[in-house]
Amino acid sequence: EVQLVESGGGLVQPGGSLRLSCAASGFTFADYYMDWVRQAPGKGLEWVGLIRHKPQSYTVEYAASVKGRFSISRDDSKNTLYLQMNSLKSEDTAIYYCVRNALAWLESWGQGTLVTVSS
Amino acid sequence: EIVLTQSPATLSLSPGERATLSCRASQSVNSFLAWYQQKPGQAPRLFIYDASNRATGIPARFSGSGSGTDFTLTISSLEPEDFAVYYCQQRSNWPRTFGGGTKVEI
Repeated sequence: EVQLVESGGGLVQPGGSLRLSCAASGFTFADYYMDWVRQAPGKGLEWVGLIRHKPQSYTVEYAASVKGRFSISRDDSKNTLYLQMNSLKSEDTAIYYCVRNALAWLESWGQGTLVTVSS
Repeated sequence: EIVLTQSPATLSLSPGERATLSCRASQSVNSFLAWYQQKPGQAPRLFIYDASNRATGIPARFSGSGSGTDFTLTISSLEPEDFAVYYCQQRSNWPRTFGGGTKVEI
């Protein structure tokens, strides 16, 4: 069974940093692209970014709203996906979901971790 | 950026009725469109991909159609568990984008 468990969320001040982790199990993590998607409280879904696998040189794509502030990485030896978030703004407040990308679609989702940016 | 517009925002129906949800893209996405269902307090779930293919475990009462800029998700006969929010999403261009969602309520 595919399992994705996010952690690292919490309260952070504007301008601060936070690193989210996503522990994957139940599948061969190294074989898949992985995405991050977020959802502000009571709002819709917003795609954050994607990281490809080793055969694609771990290249990444980002939404314009986070480009230059957020960084996605992965450690295939630990079956873990990361989202480094810097220069956080109040509008980054959201639940952040880790998602397995299969056939280029957002196929399996974690339960999410809440990030609150507030002073 | 491709903008996806979903309509209606809310659909009020009863169990057993047919639901028709629309998603319109600001430019062609070919057939690179998916639908996700989200229930309160839960993560979204992939329901339809490549416009018309049901994901694993999705009942046959759900069907997707369309290509280019106009897409439809149809639920042929609503079951109580189908009342939720549905989002469309495109993967034709970067960045990936979602529609604003349609809430199907009783």
